[in-house]
Amino acid sequence: DAGVIQSPRHEVTEMGQEVTLRCKPISGHNSLFWYRQTMMRGLELLIYFNNNVPIDDSGMPEDRFSAKMPNASFSTLKIQPSEPRDSAVYFCASSLTGVASPLHFGNGTRLTVT
Amino acid sequence: GDSVTQMEGPVTLSEEAFLTINCTYTATGYPSLFWYVQYPGEGLQLLLKATKADDKGSNKGFEATYRKETTSFHLEKGSVQVSDSAVYFCALSGDSGGGADGLTFGKGTHLIIQP
Repeated sequence: DAGVIQSPRHEVTEMGQEVTLRCKPISGHNSLFWYRQTMMRGLELLIYFNNNVPIDDSGMPEDRFSAKMPNASFSTLKIQPSEPRDSAVYFCASSLTGVASPLHFGNGTRLTVT
Repeated sequence: GDSVTQMEGPVTLSEEAFLTINCTYTATGYPSLFWYVQYPGEGLQLLLKATKADDKGSNKGFEATYRKETTSFHLEKGSVQVSDSAVYFCALSGDSGGGADGLTFGKGTHLIIQP
């Protein structure tokens, strides 16, 4: 089992540029989550999908953020335009549907916007 | 809404010391409770979980008991090792059913074990 795979591991970009983060969930998992981690705010849930359908995007900070899941094995989180305050580690996680199902996290993408 | 409160860190202990990291929660109904661990440069990994009152989760020498009367899920280990140095997150999952809806995490407790 390869686990949740995220790319890139590190991304450095200039303010105003578009950033796309990618995630491949564990095969067979039907829930996918995007989290953001910062020192100030800790872990924040941005959006999650069940069976490729966005269920709750209330955590998405603003319209500059968008997420898609075109199929069961791929999701993207896009920031356009990026700003320095978007600098954080972004985690993707997947799970089986179920109240007590644990989340399996990828190793994250560290985003730095200068 | 649901919330998780855990003790502020960093917590610094000597090797072989007893560890307690406090965690309390606020939630409606009967949530499931989790402890996750994050090692430097990695994502979170599930350490243990409990799904109903009085359940005890355990793994790698760590234990936590679901206490509904005190709404707590404190993490304990009898003898810590340097390799236990990491950030520990307490989390809950609501019981709304209908599928996973993500976890509510505490802010994390950074544990440092000195040899």
